[in-house]
Amino acid sequence: GAVVSQHPSRVICKSGTSVKIECRSLDFQATTMFWYRQFPKQSLMLMATSNEGSKATYEQGVEKDKFLINHASLTLSTLTVTSAHPEDSSFYICSASPAGEYSPLHFGNGTRLTVT
Amino acid sequence: QQQVKQSPQSLIVQKGGISIINCAYENTAFDYFPWYQQFPGKGPALLIAIRPDVSEKKEGRFTISFNKSAKQFSLHIMDSQPGDSATYFCAASYRYNTDKLIFGTGTRLQVFP
Repeated sequence: GAVVSQHPSRVICKSGTSVKIECRSLDFQATTMFWYRQFPKQSLMLMATSNEGSKATYEQGVEKDKFLINHASLTLSTLTVTSAHPEDSSFYICSASPAGEYSPLHFGNGTRLTVT
Repeated sequence: QQQVKQSPQSLIVQKGGISIINCAYENTAFDYFPWYQQFPGKGPALLIAIRPDVSEKKEGRFTISFNKSAKQFSLHIMDSQPGDSATYFCAASYRYNTDKLIFGTGTRLQVFP
């Protein structure tokens, strides 16, 4: 089955630093990947749609300069949290689906970011 | 219009019982309704999905019931097991954008032996 790999699984960083999270589709190509954010005991909130070879599309209220997305190849999208603050601490999850209508969306195992 | 409402927020079921989680939506343009299971510290995993042209879909112990006129759908877990203890999310998407999901608020299921 389709596998989405996310790295790192956990990261702790200091305020003001930047953190990069990678999302890879291991056995399929994905022209589109999605980045979600999840607070404890809450639902998944879509942050942005990552488009291979073009700019990401951000959801309303998500700062594009804070959350930089790069989708440089058909199997890799990266999310960089810039100048991180404690309020950016959260669980970040990426997802992708193989091409085709009604092709299921597969999720990575998430990255727990803690900003101290 | 874009919301998917999910209930209950939490559910406690005895082993062997039936777990039922309900979702409702407003937007009739939604065309694809998956259910995801999430364990703590992990990403969601697809359980089962349905389209509005069928009223029921069953895969093993998991069944989706879909009521198009009421704009409601539900997940039934038969013979619930402690290993089913997880958070369940319903979701919806549009026909030509089925990978852009709108999630319900989630239901935390606990199955006790």
